[in-house]
Amino acid sequence: EPEVTQTPSHQVTQMGQEVILRCVPISNHLYFYWYRQILGQKVEFLVSFYNNEISEKSEIFDDQFSVERPDGSNFTLKIRSTKLEDSAMYFCASSSPRGSNQPQHFGDGTRLSIL
Amino acid sequence: QKEVEQDPGPLSVPEGAIVSLNCTYSNSAFQYFMWYRQYSRKGPELLMYTYSSGNKEDGRFTAQVDKSSKYISLFIRDSQPSDSATYLCAMDSSYKLIFGSGTRLLVRP
Repeated sequence: EPEVTQTPSHQVTQMGQEVILRCVPISNHLYFYWYRQILGQKVEFLVSFYNNEISEKSEIFDDQFSVERPDGSNFTLKIRSTKLEDSAMYFCASSSPRGSNQPQHFGDGTRLSIL
Repeated sequence: QKEVEQDPGPLSVPEGAIVSLNCTYSNSAFQYFMWYRQYSRKGPELLMYTYSSGNKEDGRFTAQVDKSSKYISLFIRDSQPSDSATYLCAMDSSYKLIFGSGTRLLVRP
């Protein structure tokens, strides 16, 4: 069964450094998303992306964050200058081309640890 | 009032029991409802996806939606130890999912 893959599984970074989290969505999907889950808290929406532009973003997704689809298969989340509070699991998701109201399928996440 | 409320548990049941998991929500604009299962250090895995009020069954799982009460449920029949996980309800709010906090389920052999 097709799946969303994320790399790396664990990223350790010094505070203030830039980090790029990578995702390969399911191949025929056209809607892409990033969520995060701080330890012990609920999964929170960050951003949705369609047709090479952001569809919606949350308050969390400030100017330190950016997303990109650099080629036909990858979808990336960049955090420009990491803070301690950015430590969390980051999940990528994608959904089918029939519209945004299709079930989103998630990867297994990247655990980001900021030191 | 939180948009989506879910009892965090933990809920501990013996193997073979029927499990009932529930969420309430406040936003009547939600139209699509999902249940995800999340094992430790893994991503949410889609279990059920429903649109309208009523029941939807898939194997041992039944999802129930009551839009008039803003209440959704997931029933697991003949629960197995492998069902031990955190169960997340989620609601689709146009381009994004709003999640409940998750209910941790433990099925004892």
